[in-house]
Amino acid sequence: QVQLQESGPGLVKPSETLSLTCTVSGGSISSYYWSWIRQPPGKGLEWIGYVYYNGNTYYNPSLKSRVTISIDTSKNQFSLKLSSVTAADTAVYYCARSYYDYVWGNYRLDYWGQGTLVTVSS
Amino acid sequence: AIQLTQSPSSLSASVGDRVTITCRASQGINNALAWYQQKPGKAPKLLIYDASSLESGIPSRFSGSGSGTDFTLTISSLQPEDFATYYCQHFNHFPPGYTFGQGTKLEI
Repeated sequence: QVQLQESGPGLVKPSETLSLTCTVSGGSISSYYWSWIRQPPGKGLEWIGYVYYNGNTYYNPSLKSRVTISIDTSKNQFSLKLSSVTAADTAVYYCARSYYDYVWGNYRLDYWGQGTLVTVSS
Repeated sequence: AIQLTQSPSSLSASVGDRVTITCRASQGINNALAWYQQKPGKAPKLLIYDASSLESGIPSRFSGSGSGTDFTLTISSLQPEDFATYYCQHFNHFPPGYTFGQGTKLEI
């Protein structure tokens, strides 16, 4: 059973960089896309971006200028960096596996971490 | 970019009720739609993919239907553990990225 676990600071100061890591266990990180999604308190889900096991990335255009997602296959981990944070970046951050359905060509998020709350405050 | 609009935004129902939640896409997306359930303080859980395929381990009272722009999630007989928020999701290939509906909160 694939499991994902987010880790990183729960409090980040405004203008600094938010850094989170997702550790994947119970399966290989290879051959999948790996996503970051966030959810501000009381609000809906926002996809941040994903990284493929070969390092290719794609980001939500609304966050692209501030986001970097990377992967370390040797550690079965992938990471998120979000720069120049403000209070609007306060959210629960989830990592998730993107499963590609070769039959229909659709993607879905089939395994999720438990989420970690990151608060941006001085 | 494709937008997903769910209705209703909230819904009150009772145990044993049949409930339907709708998700409308701003343009045709074939069957590229998934549904998730999220309980307070928990991560979303995949219920339905490819519009109508039931994820492994999900009870058969959950079903999905639709194609093109209009999709539905149906719970045939509500159980106490089904009270949660439900989201629809689409993955767009060009440009690539996930889009979520705004959510439907199902309350007792």
